Amino acid sequence: NAGVMQNPRHLVRRRGQEARLRCSPMKGHSHVYWYRQLPEEGLKFMVYLQKENIIDESGMPKERFSAEFPKEGPSILRIQQVVRGDSAAYFCASSLIPGQGAVEQFFGPGTRLTVL
Amino acid sequence: DAKTTQPNSMESNEEEPVHLPCNHSTISGTDYIHWYRQLPSQGPEYVIHGLTSNVNNRMASLAIAEDRKSSTLILHRATLRDAAVYYCILRVNYGGSQGNLIFGKGTKLSVKP
Repeated sequence: NAGVMQNPRHLVRRRGQEARLRCSPMKGHSHVYWYRQLPEEGLKFMVYLQKENIIDESGMPKERFSAEFPKEGPSILRIQQVVRGDSAAYFCASSLIPGQGAVEQFFGPGTRLTVL
Repeated sequence: DAKTTQPNSMESNEEEPVHLPCNHSTISGTDYIHWYRQLPSQGPEYVIHGLTSNVNNRMASLAIAEDRKSSTLILHRATLRDAAVYYCILRVNYGGSQGNLIFGKGTKLSVKP
């Protein structure tokens, strides 16, 4: 059973360009979470999605960032007009059922975004 | 989710047991105690979780204090591959509307050969 897959693993963008990060959850998982880890900092929650729905986006920056998880295909985290401060590792996680107390999340290897 | 407190760093020798402590004095009755770890340049990895009783799995053991205000992750024989940041996280048993994990700074474990 393949784990959570993320691509690309490394992404380089110039300021002002768009970045698209993809996440394919584990087979059978319909709950996806995105986290961001800035250099030398801890992981911070960004957004929680279920198929075709955003459940919690309390950690998403108000501008330039958006996320979707369509009925078919991977979840996409989109960053428009990237700035140097967006340089970070972005991790996706998935779970089989909603985030109740005993449920574990499975993480992907991350996408490391570098903004020049 | 309630707050946890962990030492910033710990050192261990290879092949020796490691006890990683976590304090969670404001834990509520329905909070689960989870441990994740993050190896260098990798995504976090689930290690173990428990509610009241001690738990064992192939990776580690989790010892939970009787009053649940603290817990200890036990690696029985540390290997070089266990060098990572270990996170102790409390998870409320919500009905499903919230799912995110709240990561603190964790404990950076170094393993010496």
